[in-house]
Amino acid sequence: NAGVTQTPKFRVLKTGQSMTLLCAQDMNHEYMYWYRQDPGMGLRLIHYSVGEGTTAKGEVPDGYNVSRLKKQNFLLGLESAAPSQTSVYFCATTHWEVEQGNEQFFGPGTRLTVL
Amino acid sequence: GQSLEQPSEVTAVEGAIVQINCTYQTSGFYGLSWYQQHDGGAPTFLSYNALDGLEETGRFSSFLSRSDSYGYLLLQELQMKDSASYFCAVLDGNTGGFKTIFGAGTRLFVKA
Repeated sequence: NAGVTQTPKFRVLKTGQSMTLLCAQDMNHEYMYWYRQDPGMGLRLIHYSVGEGTTAKGEVPDGYNVSRLKKQNFLLGLESAAPSQTSVYFCATTHWEVEQGNEQFFGPGTRLTVL
Repeated sequence: GQSLEQPSEVTAVEGAIVQINCTYQTSGFYGLSWYQQHDGGAPTFLSYNALDGLEETGRFSSFLSRSDSYGYLLLQELQMKDSASYFCAVLDGNTGGFKTIFGAGTRLFVKA
Protein backbone atom coordinates (compact mmCIF):
# COMPACT_ATOMS: atom_id res chain seq x y z
CA ASN A 1 0.00 0.00 0.00
CA ALA A 2 1.28 3.43 -0.95
CA GLY A 3 -0.46 5.25 1.92
CA VAL A 4 -0.66 8.94 1.05
CA THR A 5 1.02 10.23 -2.09
CA GLN A 6 1.36 13.72 -3.48
CA THR A 7 2.17 14.93 -6.96
CA PRO A 8 4.20 16.77 -7.96
CA LYS A 9 7.05 16.72 -5.43
CA PHE A 10 8.51 20.02 -6.64
CA ARG A 11 7.22 22.84 -8.82
CA VAL A 12 8.30 26.32 -9.81
CA LEU A 13 5.63 28.70 -11.06
CA LYS A 14 5.61 32.25 -12.33
CA THR A 15 3.26 34.76 -10.75
CA GLY A 16 -0.20 34.43 -12.24
CA GLN A 17 0.16 30.83 -13.39
CA SER A 18 -2.22 28.16 -12.22
CA MET A 19 -1.65 24.62 -11.05
CA THR A 20 -3.26 21.70 -9.27
CA LEU A 21 -1.72 19.61 -6.55
CA LEU A 22 -2.99 16.05 -6.26
CA CYS A 23 -3.26 14.03 -3.09
CA ALA A 24 -4.15 10.36 -3.33
CA GLN A 25 -4.72 7.85 -0.53
CA ASP A 26 -5.38 4.14 -0.48
CA MET A 27 -6.24 3.98 3.22
CA ASN A 28 -9.99 4.38 2.73
CA HIS A 29 -10.03 7.39 5.06
CA GLU A 30 -12.96 9.76 5.14
CA TYR A 31 -11.17 12.92 6.18
CA MET A 32 -8.53 14.66 4.06
CA TYR A 33 -6.69 17.90 4.68
CA TRP A 34 -4.42 20.36 2.89
CA TYR A 35 -1.84 22.26 4.95
CA ARG A 36 0.88 24.69 4.10
CA GLN A 37 4.09 24.99 6.09
CA ASP A 38 6.33 28.03 5.94
CA PRO A 39 9.85 28.22 7.44
CA GLY A 40 9.79 28.26 11.22
CA MET A 41 6.06 27.88 11.33
CA GLY A 42 3.67 25.11 12.01
CA LEU A 43 1.14 23.65 9.67
CA ARG A 44 -1.72 25.92 8.71
CA LEU A 45 -4.92 24.35 7.48
CA ILE A 46 -6.01 25.54 4.04
CA HIS A 47 -9.07 23.40 3.27
CA TYR A 48 -10.35 20.06 4.36
CA SER A 49 -12.94 17.45 3.45
CA VAL A 50 -15.00 15.22 5.70
CA GLY A 51 -16.05 12.92 2.88
CA GLU A 52 -16.49 12.50 -0.86
CA GLY A 53 -18.16 15.52 -2.39
CA THR A 54 -17.63 17.77 0.63
CA THR A 55 -15.12 20.54 1.32
CA ALA A 56 -14.70 23.17 4.02
CA LYS A 57 -12.45 26.16 4.63
CA GLY A 58 -9.59 26.06 7.09
CA GLU A 59 -7.48 28.84 8.56
CA VAL A 60 -5.94 30.21 5.34
CA PRO A 61 -8.24 29.38 2.40
CA ASP A 62 -7.82 32.55 0.32
CA GLY A 63 -6.24 32.00 -3.08
CA TYR A 64 -6.93 28.24 -3.06
CA ASN A 65 -9.74 25.99 -4.18
CA VAL A 66 -10.27 22.28 -3.57
CA SER A 67 -12.32 19.40 -4.87
CA ARG A 68 -13.06 15.91 -3.57
CA LEU A 69 -14.84 14.14 -6.41
CA LYS A 70 -13.58 10.72 -5.34
CA LYS A 71 -12.98 9.48 -1.83
CA GLN A 72 -9.36 8.66 -2.51
CA ASN A 73 -8.38 11.97 -4.13
CA PHE A 74 -8.22 15.53 -2.83
CA LEU A 75 -7.11 18.26 -5.22
CA LEU A 76 -5.75 21.66 -4.29
CA GLY A 77 -5.85 24.37 -6.95
CA LEU A 78 -4.09 27.67 -7.25
CA GLU A 79 -5.87 29.75 -9.88
CA SER A 80 -3.39 32.64 -10.01
CA ALA A 81 -0.23 31.92 -8.07
CA ALA A 82 1.43 34.63 -5.98
CA PRO A 83 4.89 34.71 -4.36
CA SER A 84 3.18 34.57 -0.96
CA GLN A 85 2.07 31.05 -1.86
CA THR A 86 5.65 29.81 -1.93
CA SER A 87 5.56 27.06 0.67
CA VAL A 88 5.64 23.35 1.34
CA TYR A 89 2.20 21.81 0.96
CA PHE A 90 1.22 18.71 2.89
CA CYS A 91 -1.78 16.55 2.41
CA ALA A 92 -3.03 14.42 5.31
CA THR A 93 -5.75 11.86 5.82
CA THR A 94 -7.46 10.34 8.81
CA HIS A 95 -10.12 7.84 9.66
CA TRP A 96 -12.64 9.58 11.82
CA GLU A 97 -12.07 8.22 15.31
CA VAL A 98 -11.95 10.88 17.96
CA GLU A 99 -10.91 8.29 20.51
CA GLN A 100 -7.72 7.76 18.55
CA GLY A 101 -7.06 11.45 18.37
CA ASN A 102 -7.87 11.75 14.74
CA GLU A 103 -4.33 10.55 13.96
CA GLN A 104 -3.31 12.06 10.68
CA PHE A 105 -1.18 10.37 8.06
CA PHE A 106 0.82 12.78 5.95
CA GLY A 107 2.02 12.69 2.39
CA PRO A 108 5.66 13.54 1.59
CA GLY A 109 4.88 17.14 0.67
CA THR A 110 5.07 19.35 -2.40
CA ARG A 111 7.64 22.14 -2.48
CA LEU A 112 6.21 25.04 -4.46
CA THR A 113 8.11 28.16 -5.43
CA VAL A 114 6.34 31.10 -7.04
CA LEU A 115 8.62 33.60 -8.74
CA GLY B 1 -10.59 31.21 17.37
CA GLN B 2 -7.88 28.83 18.34
CA SER B 3 -4.33 29.44 19.53
CA LEU B 4 -1.47 27.28 20.74
CA GLU B 5 1.74 28.36 22.43
CA GLN B 6 4.91 26.30 22.64
CA PRO B 7 8.59 27.26 22.96
CA SER B 8 10.38 27.84 19.69
CA GLU B 9 13.57 26.00 20.62
CA VAL B 10 14.86 23.61 23.26
CA THR B 11 18.38 22.24 23.59
CA ALA B 12 19.30 19.18 25.64
CA VAL B 13 22.12 16.69 26.04
CA GLU B 14 22.06 13.12 24.81
CA GLY B 15 20.73 10.81 27.51
CA ALA B 16 18.90 13.60 29.32
CA ILE B 17 15.18 14.26 29.77
CA VAL B 18 13.41 17.17 28.13
CA GLN B 19 9.88 18.53 28.48
CA ILE B 20 8.14 20.53 25.77
CA ASN B 21 5.15 22.53 27.03
CA CYS B 22 2.05 23.53 25.14
CA THR B 23 -0.80 25.80 26.17
CA TYR B 24 -3.88 26.12 24.05
CA GLN B 25 -7.07 28.07 23.65
CA THR B 26 -9.96 26.68 21.68
CA SER B 27 -13.72 26.53 22.04
CA GLY B 28 -14.29 23.02 20.69
CA PHE B 29 -11.50 21.07 22.38
CA TYR B 30 -11.53 17.30 22.13
CA GLY B 31 -7.90 16.38 22.70
CA LEU B 32 -4.23 17.22 22.31
CA SER B 33 -1.88 15.47 19.93
CA TRP B 34 1.87 15.58 19.38
CA TYR B 35 3.68 15.18 16.08
CA GLN B 36 7.36 14.87 15.22
CA GLN B 37 8.91 16.23 12.05
CA HIS B 38 12.49 15.76 10.93
CA ASP B 39 14.04 18.27 8.54
CA GLY B 40 12.76 17.71 5.03
CA GLY B 41 10.26 15.11 6.17
CA ALA B 42 6.57 14.90 6.87
CA PRO B 43 5.03 15.08 10.33
CA THR B 44 4.42 11.78 12.08
CA PHE B 45 1.98 11.14 14.90
CA LEU B 46 3.43 10.52 18.38
CA SER B 47 0.61 10.60 20.91
CA TYR B 48 -2.85 11.79 21.83
CA ASN B 49 -4.47 12.78 25.13
CA ALA B 50 -8.20 13.22 25.46
CA LEU B 51 -8.36 12.84 29.23
CA ASP B 52 -6.30 14.35 32.02
CA GLY B 53 -3.17 12.50 32.95
CA LEU B 54 -0.06 10.94 31.55
CA GLU B 55 0.16 8.62 28.55
CA GLU B 56 3.38 6.69 28.10
CA THR B 57 4.72 5.21 24.87
CA GLY B 58 8.27 3.96 25.22
CA ARG B 59 10.66 6.84 25.78
CA PHE B 60 7.95 9.40 25.06
CA SER B 61 5.17 10.47 27.41
CA SER B 62 2.45 13.06 26.98
CA PHE B 63 0.44 14.82 29.63
CA LEU B 64 -2.79 16.78 29.56
CA SER B 65 -4.59 19.03 32.04
CA ARG B 66 -7.90 20.11 30.52
CA SER B 67 -8.67 22.49 33.37
CA ASP B 68 -5.39 24.33 32.77
CA SER B 69 -5.54 24.08 28.96
CA TYR B 70 -2.02 22.74 29.17
CA GLY B 71 -0.07 19.74 28.03
CA TYR B 72 3.49 18.60 27.61
CA LEU B 73 5.59 16.06 25.79
CA LEU B 74 8.31 14.36 27.79
CA LEU B 75 11.22 12.75 26.02
CA GLN B 76 13.49 10.51 28.09
CA GLU B 77 16.90 9.01 27.36
CA LEU B 78 17.39 11.48 24.56
CA GLN B 79 19.10 10.24 21.42
CA MET B 80 20.64 12.23 18.60
CA LYS B 81 17.88 11.02 16.31
CA ASP B 82 15.34 12.86 18.50
CA SER B 83 16.61 16.14 17.06
CA ALA B 84 13.53 17.33 15.20
CA SER B 85 10.60 19.70 15.44
CA TYR B 86 7.73 18.77 17.73
CA PHE B 87 4.24 20.13 17.23
CA CYS B 88 1.36 20.12 19.62
CA ALA B 89 -2.03 20.10 17.98
CA VAL B 90 -5.58 20.40 19.23
CA LEU B 91 -8.42 18.35 17.88
CA ASP B 92 -11.19 20.87 17.41
CA GLY B 93 -14.77 19.87 16.74
CA ASN B 94 -16.58 23.17 17.00
CA THR B 95 -17.88 23.67 13.46
CA GLY B 96 -17.81 21.97 10.09
CA GLY B 97 -16.43 18.67 11.25
CA PHE B 98 -13.34 17.80 13.17
CA LYS B 99 -10.03 19.40 12.32
CA THR B 100 -6.59 19.55 13.83
CA ILE B 101 -4.97 22.91 14.54
CA PHE B 102 -1.19 22.86 14.93
CA GLY B 103 1.13 24.97 17.04
CA ALA B 104 4.17 26.64 15.50
CA GLY B 105 6.46 23.87 16.69
CA THR B 106 9.41 23.44 19.03
CA ARG B 107 12.78 22.77 17.50
CA LEU B 108 14.69 20.28 19.68
CA PHE B 109 18.46 20.15 19.41
CA VAL B 110 20.13 17.14 21.05
CA LYS B 111 23.83 17.62 21.75
CA ALA B 112 26.40 14.91 22.29
